[in-house]
Amino acid sequence: KAGVTQTPRYLIKTRGQQVTLSCSPISGHRSVSWYQQTPGQGLQFLFEYFSETQRNKGNFPGRFSGRQFSNSRSEMNVSTLELGDSALYLCASSVSRWDTQYFGPGTRLTVL
Amino acid sequence: AQSVTQLGSHVSVSEGALVLLRCNYSSSVPPYLFWYVQYPNQGLQLLLKYTTGATLVKGINGFEAEFKKSETSFHLTKPSAHMSDAAEYFCAVSVEGGKLIFGQGTELSVKP
Repeated sequence: KAGVTQTPRYLIKTRGQQVTLSCSPISGHRSVSWYQQTPGQGLQFLFEYFSETQRNKGNFPGRFSGRQFSNSRSEMNVSTLELGDSALYLCASSVSRWDTQYFGPGTRLTVL
Repeated sequence: AQSVTQLGSHVSVSEGALVLLRCNYSSSVPPYLFWYVQYPNQGLQLLLKYTTGATLVKGINGFEAEFKKSETSFHLTKPSAHMSDAAEYFCAVSVEGGKLIFGQGTELSVKP
């Protein structure tokens, strides 16, 4: 079975721009969670989607948003990028909300 | 609020020596507990998990962890370190569906 895939793997943007990251879960997985990883703050939960609905949200500003499609694929969007948004963004999928999360390789976002 | 504390941001052991990575959690409800490993420029790989039942959990690559409710701990051990074990290790707790709370991580170095 193919693992979680994330595209693109690397991205460079400038302040003020917006960005969309994509995540394709493992086949059959319906829950997708997103995390931000930075050297200073570590791994922080962004949000979780299940059956196309956001079920849980972390403590991030409204510039961070996401959605999930009927095939369980998910996207996250960051608008008005700030330098502090530079991070590794990790997506994880699980069969259902309480099952083990399996992570993708991440998207490395650099904001200049 | 739930939290995870990993004692020691960096642990160094000699090849063949015991590996012990410490994790303590704070949770008002019975948690699900996980250990993940991250190699450079990669996502997180699940090592092992505790949900219910047996408190000694065996994982991949010879790692195991013991859930001790009285000590609110979930320490990770491996009897004999290998050079390939060098990586960053994260302890995580889940008390809400779809959301993992991570510790700050412990970087493991293995000396020849």
